[in-house]
Amino acid sequence: QPVLTQSSSASASLGSSVKLTCTLSSGHSNYIIAWHQQQPGKAPRFLMTLEGSGSYNKGSGAPGRFSGSSSGADRYLTISNLQSEDEAHYYCETWDSNTRVFGGGTKLTVL
Amino acid sequence: DVQLLESGGGLVQPGGSLRLPCAASGFTFRNYAMTWVRQAPGKGLEWVSAISYDGAVIYYAASVKGRFTVSRDNSRNTLYLQMYSLRAEDTAIYYCARLNPHGAGSYSGYWGQGTLVTVSS
Repeated sequence: QPVLTQSSSASASLGSSVKLTCTLSSGHSNYIIAWHQQQPGKAPRFLMTLEGSGSYNKGSGAPGRFSGSSSGADRYLTISNLQSEDEAHYYCETWDSNTRVFGGGTKLTVL
Repeated sequence: DVQLLESGGGLVQPGGSLRLPCAASGFTFRNYAMTWVRQAPGKGLEWVSAISYDGAVIYYAASVKGRFTVSRDNSRNTLYLQMYSLRAEDTAIYYCARLNPHGAGSYSGYWGQGTLVTVSS
């Protein structure tokens, strides 16, 4: 089954941009993933799906400042013009025939 | 608007049982597969189980297989997670989510607000 690897933490300044990474395990580099945001004390919220081609589809609640891209087994979430409300945990998710997998999550701190 | 409302959480002793309902509204429930995901205190998301739109296909994580049972009542627009033989490590917030189709698979497109299950004596 696939494994998703994320850095445990990231930080960036208010108004700047940040790029978070989710890496698929060997043999699964063409998998589609989904990105989710979890603000402190809240339930997760779907942001977008992201394919290996770099094509992404955002959910209705995802701000325009969020975008996705891909390179090989890496799936990226880029947040531009960082706002204080972007401080959250970000999780990637993927799926196989009979299982679903989440990455360990990245805690983003907005400085 | 899509709404998912979990309930049934609480304090239960090790070895005990609990059933979590997830009431769905704002969409045609019988058309969508559903999933349960949990989050232990201070930890990340862990997939628990998934069920097809008609209940015919069900999957479980290895950590809960044989102890948890997922089911659905499409006439009541409700998803269930029946938990048996609960352990301290099952302590978590339990979320239900709607699975949106995408290509040959699906992703967690909408999440409930979660219900806290605490397993402790």
